[in-house]
Amino acid sequence: SQQGEEDPQALSIQEGENATMNCSYKTSINNLQWYRQNSGRGLVHLILIRSNEREKHSGRLRVTLDTSKKSSSLLITASRAADTASYFCAPKTSGSRLTFGEGTQLTVNP
Amino acid sequence: EAGVAQSPRYKIIEKRQSVAFWCNPISGHATLYWYQQILGQGPKLLIQFQNNGVVDDSQLPKDRFSAERLKGVDSTLKIQPAKLEDSAVYLCASSASGELFFGEGSRLTVL
Repeated sequence: SQQGEEDPQALSIQEGENATMNCSYKTSINNLQWYRQNSGRGLVHLILIRSNEREKHSGRLRVTLDTSKKSSSLLITASRAADTASYFCAPKTSGSRLTFGEGTQLTVNP
Repeated sequence: EAGVAQSPRYKIIEKRQSVAFWCNPISGHATLYWYQQILGQGPKLLIQFQNNGVVDDSQLPKDRFSAERLKGVDSTLKIQPAKLEDSAVYLCASSASGELFFGEGSRLTVL
């Protein structure tokens, strides 16, 4: 299995601004998943992007995948205080376990 | 659709005592996972079941941790005896295909 590395470790922005988080990984993948975790809660699946996709949208979320650079980014547009959470990426290789990194802690200030 | 159910939500025990956590996955989900999440860290996979068979338990400390999934539905995770470093949130997740659905977790404090 491989673990994604999220960057930055922490991000603090004002409500209404955009937030960008990055994820890097080491080997070829089948797909990459992003999850959100609010304080004291379980993880919630946000989006899955397959290795043959370059960009995917879901509401205010935009995920890109660059397999040549082995990296992905998660953009949250027009952020809200409720977006305050930890965000994890999980690169998935066939037959391997889903492994999480340390996450990016996003704080959106009202 | 009901989500992944876990209990108890909180548990405080003294070291060397035992504890058990229960998980009921989403109906029809064949794959069930137990993750350990220490404060400030990402979740670490302890064990993965496919129906009632173990797929991956390479990171499960088998001298003190055990898990079972009888009849391929509910699962229990047991720690005996507990150590201070076992203080963490134990997350159960289930999946039918790619994405994982997590429960709210069971927070364990070992004193």
